Amino acid sequence: KAGVTQTPRYLIKTRGQQVTLSCSPISGHRSVSWYQQTPGQGLQFLFEYFSETQRNKGNFPGRFSGRQFSNSRSEMNVSTLELGDSALYLCASSPGVTGVTEQYFGPGTRLTVT
Amino acid sequence: GENVEQHPSTLSVQEGDSAVIKCTYSDSASNYFPWYKQELGKRPQLIIDIRSNVGEKKDQRIAVTLNKTAKHFSLHITETQPEDSAVYFCAAIKWTSGSRLTFGEGTQLTVNP
Repeated sequence: KAGVTQTPRYLIKTRGQQVTLSCSPISGHRSVSWYQQTPGQGLQFLFEYFSETQRNKGNFPGRFSGRQFSNSRSEMNVSTLELGDSALYLCASSPGVTGVTEQYFGPGTRLTVT
Repeated sequence: GENVEQHPSTLSVQEGDSAVIKCTYSDSASNYFPWYKQELGKRPQLIIDIRSNVGEKKDQRIAVTLNKTAKHFSLHITETQPEDSAVYFCAAIKWTSGSRLTFGEGTQLTVNP
């Protein structure tokens, strides 16, 4: 099976702009979770989507949002970018059904805000 | 919410030695504990995991132990090799209604040839 893919791999944006990142999960997986990785804060959970519904949400401001499509592909959007949003954004794919919890990560999108 | 603490933050060993990384968690209802290895510039890779109904799990040179009473779990790597050098993350999850992983801060493992 193909692994988790993310596009784009790198992005440079200016403060105040918005950005959309995309994640395609492993075929058959219905859950997509998003994480932010920074040197100072480590890996932090943003949100999880399952069957096109947000099932879990982390402690991030409303500028961070997401959605999931019927084919399980997911996008996350960050509006009004701040310098502190510079990070590696990782998505993780899992089957999403009860009792099966292994999550597999994509390569990430490196976002730089200037 | 769940809190996971990981120690040490850096670990340097000689090739062939063993390495141990320890994590503690706060939510006694957590029931799944994965370990991820992240090499520089690469994605976190799931290397081993353990569920709350198991005390120990082994896969070749890697093993994980879980002590539910003390709420801690550990990663053991034996016969370390230079390619084991990476950042290792522990995580915990409570499977109730989602896949929210709470991660430890990470351990930079360096294996010196």
